[in-house]
Amino acid sequence: DQQVKQNSPSLSVQEGRISILNCDYTNSMFDYFLWYKKYPAEGPTFLISISSIKDKNEDGRFTVFLNKSAKHLSLHIVPSQPGDSAVYFCAARGGNQFYFGTGTSLTVIP
Amino acid sequence: KAGVTQTPRYLIKTRGQQVTLSCSPISGHRSVSWYQQTPGQGLQFLFEYFSETQRNKGNFPGRFSGRQFSNSRSEMNVSTLELGDSALYLCASSLISRDTDTQYFGPGTRLTVL
Repeated sequence: DQQVKQNSPSLSVQEGRISILNCDYTNSMFDYFLWYKKYPAEGPTFLISISSIKDKNEDGRFTVFLNKSAKHLSLHIVPSQPGDSAVYFCAARGGNQFYFGTGTSLTVIP
Repeated sequence: KAGVTQTPRYLIKTRGQQVTLSCSPISGHRSVSWYQQTPGQGLQFLFEYFSETQRNKGNFPGRFSGRQFSNSRSEMNVSTLELGDSALYLCASSLISRDTDTQYFGPGTRLTVL
């Protein structure tokens, strides 16, 4: 039972444009959300997080939005760069567990 | 500061065998968590160790076990391997707790079960 879902397995965006990666979750008790980036042959790298008491968190080119009523999380990358091409995982914390999505592969086209 | 290291990086086993994977956390980190990554399931939490004790456990059968040593290094063992155990196994370390501290992942061990 996938409690965190990333329904788009892949996304292609032109360099300089905005990349929007989406994540949906089912458990309203999740209180902390994270995004990780993963390059091939490497482990995931923490990117940005947001607590459930906020609806937006910004760090440079990366912004995470949380819509609790819709149980929806999104990551915006502006402007997108070729080095952003990677697989992005969203994760949510509930109780004593983290739940990860299946990932979205982002390709930024130069 | 060196990152999380995992050995071996690649492993091929046959059904019924057992395997031991190793993880060395970032120096000073005391929490080590293990995850299984498969294409259809994303990252699934296996267990977390802190101070040589298992602190949390995911929904995996008892064939999956782990331990942590006094230097915070951790090992994961899978017994009686099944084809479905083929996956990338990731280890992550954090300072005290994966609940409150950023997790840093190793590159993973790619296990193939034939």
